[in-house]
Amino acid sequence: QAQLQESGPGLVKPSETLPLTCAVSNYSISSGFYWGWIRQPPGKGLEWIGSINHRGSTSYNPSLKSRVTISVDTSKNKFSLKLNSVTAADTAVYYCARQPGGCSSGDCYLNWFDPWGQGTLVTVSS
Amino acid sequence: SYVLTQPPSVSVAPGKTARITCGGNNIGSKSVHWYQQKPGQAPVLVIYYDGDRPSEIPERFSGSNSGNTATLTISRVEAGDEADYYCQVWDSSSNHVVFGGGTKLTVL
Repeated sequence: QAQLQESGPGLVKPSETLPLTCAVSNYSISSGFYWGWIRQPPGKGLEWIGSINHRGSTSYNPSLKSRVTISVDTSKNKFSLKLNSVTAADTAVYYCARQPGGCSSGDCYLNWFDPWGQGTLVTVSS
Repeated sequence: SYVLTQPPSVSVAPGKTARITCGGNNIGSKSVHWYQQKPGQAPVLVIYYDGDRPSEIPERFSGSNSGNTATLTISRVEAGDEADYYCQVWDSSSNHVVFGGGTKLTVL
């Protein structure tokens, strides 16, 4: 069973960049699937940030797209998130997860998230 | 953008059946996935492709999807089922993953 583990700073200053990495074990990212980031503000619901496949093809939440970059490093079996110009509203638990998806006849799709990492709390504060 | 609507809370007595709905415009034409999240834990997939169940999820969990409503059904509810439940779809018109707002299931 694939296992995912998020890592990064627990505290980021406003206007700075939030960097997170998700390390994948027991499964090679190069073997397929998409790899996604999801966040959850304290006491609130889930919000999809974006997803990437092993070839580097990305899909982002339109509401965050201007500030988000997701990248993949297949040699290290990791994928990363960078969120620019953060504010207090970006304070959340950030999760990474594996996601089936693909393209068929020109139509692309992303499916469910499974498994998930344990999540990491990032607080934006000066 | 596509919106998924869930009731904020559902309550059920132990041993009874809980039904959690997820409303969306013509959601029956999309594939719906469901997650269970207990306090302080990451979400866990309980239903995918409307009604398929991961092997480790009890048969008490089932799902259906038709028209404008998808439903997660939990039979013979146990105290351990108390959690937040989220539905999720892929909106192909906007190429966007969408989550419902979540439903808190309380076992009385």
